[in-house]
Amino acid sequence: NAGVTQTPKFQVLKTGQSMTLQCAQDMNHEYMSWYRQDPGMGLRLIHYSVGAGITDQGEVPNGYNVSRSTTEDFPLRLLSAAPSQTSVYFCASSYRTGNYGYTFGSGTRLTVV
Amino acid sequence: AQSVTQLDSQVPVFEEAPVELRCNYSSSVSVYLFWYVQYPNQGLQLLLKYLSGSTLVKGINGFEAEFNKSQTSFHLRKPSVHISDTAEYFCAVRDSSYKLIFGSGTRLLVRP
Repeated sequence: NAGVTQTPKFQVLKTGQSMTLQCAQDMNHEYMSWYRQDPGMGLRLIHYSVGAGITDQGEVPNGYNVSRSTTEDFPLRLLSAAPSQTSVYFCASSYRTGNYGYTFGSGTRLTVV
Repeated sequence: AQSVTQLDSQVPVFEEAPVELRCNYSSSVSVYLFWYVQYPNQGLQLLLKYLSGSTLVKGINGFEAEFNKSQTSFHLRKPSVHISDTAEYFCAVRDSSYKLIFGSGTRLLVRP
């Protein structure tokens, strides 16, 4: 049981490049979400999904796209990377009902130069 | 919309002393509250959660938290800290649309 798997763990991008951060879970969780973590600001919600085919914006969605074609996968796309997107990104998942335990991935450290 | 306020950005404490990390949330009809810990260069680990029932919640590593509805608080406590408790601690609330909303975090520094 792998839990939530994020790839890559580290990435350096040049300004203007695009890339996709991958997130996969094997717990059949309906809810999945992406956060970015910046010093002194905690974790801020980028996008989230309550099930396959359903996505919605969080607190800081600009510059990011998501899709949810399967229950297991929730990729985060940076369309045109900017230095302001330098951050650590976390993916999390949970059941919609029940004990509300959120499981987090180990994070992706992204640097945009 | 739900929000979470962690009143202290950094809390220094000596080893074996007690500690309280403060958390206040915006009022709601029902709340589900969480504390997470993040050790340096690692992901987030669940310490404890309040869903309903007893207002005193016990978690891992000797931590506990008390849900206070009248004061909209969910403070984290430990009676005696260890060097290994040095980490960043995040309070979070789950809102009605399943989103987990975090506070800005409190860095606990345990000194020998």
